[in-house]
This record gives sequence, C-alpha cells and structure tokens, in this order.
Amino acid sequence: DQQVKQNSPSLSVQEGRISILNCDYTNSMFDYFLWYKKYPAEGPTFLISISSIKDKNEDGRFTVFLNKSAKHLSLHIVPSQPGDSAVYFCAASPSHSGGYQKVTFGIGTKLQVIP
Amino acid sequence: NAGVTQTPKFQVLKTGQSMTLQCAQDMNHNSMYWYRQDPGMGLRLIYYSASEGTTDKGEVPNGYNVSRLNKREFSLRLESAAPSQTSVYFCASTKRQGGNEQFFGPGTRLTVL
Repeated sequence: DQQVKQNSPSLSVQEGRISILNCDYTNSMFDYFLWYKKYPAEGPTFLISISSIKDKNEDGRFTVFLNKSAKHLSLHIVPSQPGDSAVYFCAASPSHSGGYQKVTFGIGTKLQVIP
Repeated sequence: NAGVTQTPKFQVLKTGQSMTLQCAQDMNHNSMYWYRQDPGMGLRLIYYSASEGTTDKGEVPNGYNVSRLNKREFSLRLESAAPSQTSVYFCASTKRQGGNEQFFGPGTRLTVL
C-alpha cells in the first residue's frame, strides 16, 4: 500500500520552461512533506520542504505547493535547467513530538530537461 | 567536511555469504539510518539509530543487523546474504532525533548471486 504516490515515472521538459512534479498521499497523519533530488550514482539530497500549516514554500527556482484537502503536493521548477535532470523523490512524515517519525518516500519521478 | 561516507561502493556476494556495509558521518549528527532502494519502490527504512547506543527496526529489518559503533559510525550487516537483498543501500543521518531533513551517503550497490 503506497502511502506516497508519484504517478508519473518520468517527465521531459524544455530548458527554460516550467517543470511540475506531482505527488499524492493517502495518510491523513502526514503533515510534513519533503522533496529530494537524486543524481545517478549519488545519494538523494534534500531540496525543499513544507509543513502542513503552509500551502506554499519557495526557495529560488523551486516552489512546493500543498493542497491538504486534496492530499496533493507539487514541485515547480522555474525556469528548468539541464542540471535539474535527476530523479525527484517526494517524502512525507507525521509531525513529531519527540522520537523518530517515519519518513515515507515515493518511488520517484525522473525529470529530463532538454537543452 | 565529507558528509556521509559509505564503503564499499559496489559488492557482489554469493548466497549465504556475509558482509558489513560501513557508514560514517562527520557532521556530529545524532541520528543515523539505513535504507534500501529497489526498482519501483521508494526508499525503505531497514534500521535506524536515534542516538549513540540505541538502534531500532524500521520497515524491512529481516535479514539484517546493525551496530552503532560510536556517534560517527553506523554499520549494516548481512549475516547470510540472499538474492532478495540485491539492492542499493543508502545510509543517512539527521542532526536530531526525528529530524526530517536527512543527509544521504552515495550508496552501496549490492548484488547477491
């Protein structure tokens, strides 16, 4: 039972255009969401996160949008650059009040930015 | 500052062999984690160590053991490797227990024949 779903295994975008990566979740207990980026033969690196008290978080070219009622979040990359070509993982966890809170990862979306 | 390092990068084992995957971090992080990544599946947690001296099972602990040797090092051991353990293994760390932003190592690609 996938609690974090990335339904698009791959996405191709022209350089300079917007990339939109989508993620859906089913667990209502999730209230902290993260995006990680992974290049081949490297480990994932943290990109951006959002708490459920917000509906948008921006960091440079990267913006994450959260729609709690739809249990949906998306990552926007504007403008897309060839160096953004990577696999993007969506992840979610419940809020923590001390102690480890399990982070659940999606299966990833492979983004290709075409020069 | 190397971040999270893992050794080896690649390993091929025969069924029944044992091996230990090593992980170290130099960020003075308290919590460390072992994940496996398989095609069509997200990263799945094998074991974690919330702090030095403690370890706990994650989602898929069967067939694995761990040791938190000190604050820096967290090793993963396969006592009797099986083909189902063919995977890419990632070690990660967080500054504090329950921290969501995890720092990952480069991974170990393991094949069990």
